[in-house]
Amino acid sequence: SYELTQPPSVSVSLGQTASITCSGDKLGDKYVCWYQQKPGQSPVVVIHQDIKRPSGIPERFSGSNSGKTATLTISGTQAMDEADYYCQAWDNYTVVFGGGTKLTVL
Amino acid sequence: QVQLVQSGAEVKKPGASVKVSCKASGYTFTGYYMHWVRQAPGQGLEWMGWINPSSGGTNYAQKFQGRVTMTRDTSISTAYMELSRLTSDDTAVYYCARGTTGTTTVMDVWGKGTTVTVSA
Repeated sequence: SYELTQPPSVSVSLGQTASITCSGDKLGDKYVCWYQQKPGQSPVVVIHQDIKRPSGIPERFSGSNSGKTATLTISGTQAMDEADYYCQAWDNYTVVFGGGTKLTVL
Repeated sequence: QVQLVQSGAEVKKPGASVKVSCKASGYTFTGYYMHWVRQAPGQGLEWMGWINPSSGGTNYAQKFQGRVTMTRDTSISTAYMELSRLTSDDTAVYYCARGTTGTTTVMDVWGKGTTVTVSA
């Protein structure tokens, strides 16, 4: 079965740029979504179709996807961005989630 | 506004079944797929499957085939997920999420989740 691999944790200083990666075989050939989940809350989509930002999502969130790696980038990271982030893709009629990355804002 | 309201927390014994409901409002129920995703305590998201509310067609993750049944009642804009032969490993928060399927799959509206606890 298809697997998406994320680093368990990423740390970033307040105001700096955070990058969270998601890797999978030929991932660049698929569309990737990113979800943000804060403690005790439901996930919220922040990026879909690799690079599209839903309405209401700040411009500091951006995405890219090429080769084997998709990346969620948060520019000018704010304290409110501290959360778990999950990538998601579609493979062989199945939705696949990455294991999640805990973003800590220092 | 668009929202999904899920049924309340459940406590079940091993071997029992649980049925979780998800009532949609603020949009055309039959216009979007409904996904079900679960999250065990301290763990990540796990996709269980989807139902097409328009046709009733379903697609289940292989892990849950034979044990999960997703249905809907279009007259009340409600989707259901029933999981049988519960074990302690099924203790989790179960989410319904409105979305699309296929290569551009995205889940854009989520319910608040239903906690299911399986304990003897």
